[in-house]
Amino acid sequence: KAGVTQTPRYLIKTRGQQVTLSCSPISGHRSVSWYQQTPGQGLQFLFEYFSETQRNKGNFPGRFSGRQFSNSRSEMNVSTLELGDSALYLCASSFGQGETGELFFGEGSRLTVL
Amino acid sequence: AQTVTQSQPEMSVQEAETVTLSCTYDTSESDYYLFWYKQPPSRQMILVIRQEAYKQQNATENRFSVNFQKAAKSFSLKISDSQLGDAAMYFCAYLTGTASKLTFGTGTRLQVTL
Repeated sequence: KAGVTQTPRYLIKTRGQQVTLSCSPISGHRSVSWYQQTPGQGLQFLFEYFSETQRNKGNFPGRFSGRQFSNSRSEMNVSTLELGDSALYLCASSFGQGETGELFFGEGSRLTVL
Repeated sequence: AQTVTQSQPEMSVQEAETVTLSCTYDTSESDYYLFWYKQPPSRQMILVIRQEAYKQQNATENRFSVNFQKAAKSFSLKISDSQLGDAAMYFCAYLTGTASKLTFGTGTRLQVTL
């Protein structure tokens, strides 16, 4: 069974640009969550999608957005990049209903903003 | 708001010895789950052990066990017979039964020495 796949693994952008990250969940999982990991702020929840609907949202500015497709794949977008957006972005998937919260994580997308 | 505190930024243990990682949390919820996740240098986060708050019995998974003290809001992880492969960042995490996002602690970096 394939795990959670995130692309791209590494990317470099400059301030003001935008970026789109992709996440393919484990087959059968309908929930996809996104987390930002930085040395200073640790792991912070961005948002969660379930059946194409945003079910929960963290405390991030509107420059951070996401969506989920009918096949449960998810994308997150960051517009007008700032230096502080440099981070490891982790995606996690789960069944999303009736289970006890175990998340399966991808290896992450490392974003560097110059 | 729920918070998770890991007061040990770094810990070191000799191979084959036992080490305990500490975690405390703050919540007003009665229904929640607690987790320990491991993040090796390859970055993929994996679940080590899970505890449901309504269960009084401490969870165990092979060499990993927890000491769950609900009244004290404490959730420590004990690793017995430590192995070199246990070296990683360990994150304590909280999930409320009514939400779908994990709240992570700041992590404890575990070194395993020969």
